[in-house]
Amino acid sequence: NAGVTQTPKFRILKIGQSMTLQCTQDMNHNYMYWYRQDPGMGLKLIYYSVGAGITDKGEVPNGYNVSRSTTEDFPLRLELAAPSQTSVYFCASSWHTEVEAFFGQGTRLTVV
Amino acid sequence: DAKTTQPPSMDCAEGRAANLPCNHSTISGNEYVYWYRQIHSQGPQYIIHGLKNNETNEMASLIITEDRKSSTLILPHATLRDTAVYYCIVFKAAGNKLTFGGGTRVLVKP
Repeated sequence: NAGVTQTPKFRILKIGQSMTLQCTQDMNHNYMYWYRQDPGMGLKLIYYSVGAGITDKGEVPNGYNVSRSTTEDFPLRLELAAPSQTSVYFCASSWHTEVEAFFGQGTRLTVV
Repeated sequence: DAKTTQPPSMDCAEGRAANLPCNHSTISGNEYVYWYRQIHSQGPQYIIHGLKNNETNEMASLIITEDRKSSTLILPHATLRDTAVYYCIVFKAAGNKLTFGGGTRVLVKP
């Protein structure tokens, strides 16, 4: 039981490039979340999903896209990377909103 | 979702109890109080949550005031490994979104 797995752990992108941050969970959780955390700040919700085929925007969705074709996977797509997207990205999942959420170890992204 | 107010930082002596306050004066009846912590740059870790009653688990105790406008997370015997940022979060179970504020940076000193 691996929990929430994020790949890659580190990535450097050039301005204008695109990439997909992968997130997979093996706990059969319905709810999945993407957060970003800028240095010294708290986490901000980018997108979330309440089940396969259903996604919704969080606080800071601009510049990102998500999909949820399976229960296990919730990839985050960055199109046209910008320096403002330099951050640490965390994926999380939970079986229900009334119980604990499990977080991955994060992806540290630098856009130069 | 109700907003929360936490002190930005606090120190605690190793082996002593750490009491972390959280104000959530606009909380509504169906909103839960959750606590998470984030050690260094790791992903946040769930600690405890509650609705009205006080709660205790192997990590901590959560004391919620009768009017539910504030709560306190208690780490009974703080260790150096408890040094972390602690987040108090209030949200509706049906709201689907776990929203983090600034948190309290706790430093446990020997």
